[in-house]
Amino acid sequence: AQSVTQPDIHITVSEGASLELRCNYSYGATPYLFWYVQSPGQGLQLLLKYFSGDTLVQGIKGFEAEFKRSQSSFNLRKPSVHWSDAAEYFCAVGARNNQGGKLIFGQGTELSVKP
Amino acid sequence: GAVVSQHPSWVICKSGTSVKIECRSLDFQATTMFWYRQFPKQSLMLMATSNEGSKATYEQGVEKDKFLINHASLTLSTLTVTSAHPEDSSFYICSAGGVGNNEQFFGPGTRLTVL
Repeated sequence: AQSVTQPDIHITVSEGASLELRCNYSYGATPYLFWYVQSPGQGLQLLLKYFSGDTLVQGIKGFEAEFKRSQSSFNLRKPSVHWSDAAEYFCAVGARNNQGGKLIFGQGTELSVKP
Repeated sequence: GAVVSQHPSWVICKSGTSVKIECRSLDFQATTMFWYRQFPKQSLMLMATSNEGSKATYEQGVEKDKFLINHASLTLSTLTVTSAHPEDSSFYICSAGGVGNNEQFFGPGTRLTVL
């Protein structure tokens, strides 16, 4: 069955430090991959996505993610975290065979930023 | 990017009443919309896929008679929580798009509180 795992429920980093949020997926083929961010009480904003091509994907707000097929991972990174990055981050996978566009979300990682 | 709105942003109702939540794609036509439910500190759980002009497809375990979905036009889908009970209190999020490249655009969410 398809699944997405975000091993870290909560991460705290200092402002200016680097960040890596982990995402592992289980899927029969190469899926579409997404990272979303959610501020409290808000909807989801797309940070970046991977469909094909270059496995290092650049997104908004200085985020990037790397698709590693051998590890079934799509980890999110940022070289220098800002206090405004504190939020909930969700990794998601979608079916390549266009199963109506359904997405499966990971459990989410809450990011706290220390001053 | 595409804009999806939800109305209302929050609603408080008495147990036993029905509540309707609207999801609109403001600047594009969406043949497919999705409804998610999110409990505090948890991930998004897909409830159903709403297809314009046809019946919604519900995920396993979601009561179709309790969560009525109507997708009457290419820009509007509605979710009606019938005979709401306190356990239905949650954050409901809709999204639109997703067909083809699987990119979904999310609404800001609706906070439902049932007293």
